[in-house]
Amino acid sequence: AQSVAQPEDQVNVAEGNPLTVKCTYSVSGNPYLFWYVQYPNRGLQFLLKYITGDNLVKGSYGFEAEFNKSQTSFHLKKPSALVSDSALYFCAVRDPLNSGNTPLVFGKGTRLSVIA
Amino acid sequence: EADIYQTPRYLVIGTGKKITLECSQTMGHDKMYWYQQDPGMELHLIHYSYGVNSTEKGDLSSESTVSRIRTEHFPLTLESARPSHTSQYLCASRPTLSGQETQYFGPGTRLLVL
Repeated sequence: AQSVAQPEDQVNVAEGNPLTVKCTYSVSGNPYLFWYVQYPNRGLQFLLKYITGDNLVKGSYGFEAEFNKSQTSFHLKKPSALVSDSALYFCAVRDPLNSGNTPLVFGKGTRLSVIA
Repeated sequence: EADIYQTPRYLVIGTGKKITLECSQTMGHDKMYWYQQDPGMELHLIHYSYGVNSTEKGDLSSESTVSRIRTEHFPLTLESARPSHTSQYLCASRPTLSGQETQYFGPGTRLLVL
């Protein structure tokens, strides 16, 4: 069975500092991995994904994530945080062995607060 | 920006009323999903569909029902709303094509049952 964990409920970072939001996963094969962001009273917006290829994936708003197979991780990073990055972030995984029909499995979310 | 729409965006309704939350997408996606999310909390998959005339229950037991008569529409119905149904409901869709794995979300419907 596939699963994803976001070990931190809340991450606080000062504006201008680098940020990391952690995500680890469990699937039987090579995973499809996603990051989404949710602003208040909005739906989820797609940030980036890893399907295959380069382990470092670049996405929207200056975010990037690194796929690490040995550590089964897909941490979200940004070199310099902005106050406007404050939001709820969700990591998600799909098992490619059954990717045709399997819904995404989401983590519980991590609230990022960037302090000016 | 994904072309997936949800109406109404906000709904306040009394207990016992029947309600239908609308979700539509113009991208021709086969797969559609409904999630329930309390504010700032995790998402719970309640229904999904692989295509027309296909519906499946998700991980979270729900008293709602769905239908998929047309590719672009995936409405969710509550026959008798209760205060416990108060939540945000998010609709999503994605194509079937291999390599097109991204799931796109609508803006959500925030439901308050009095």
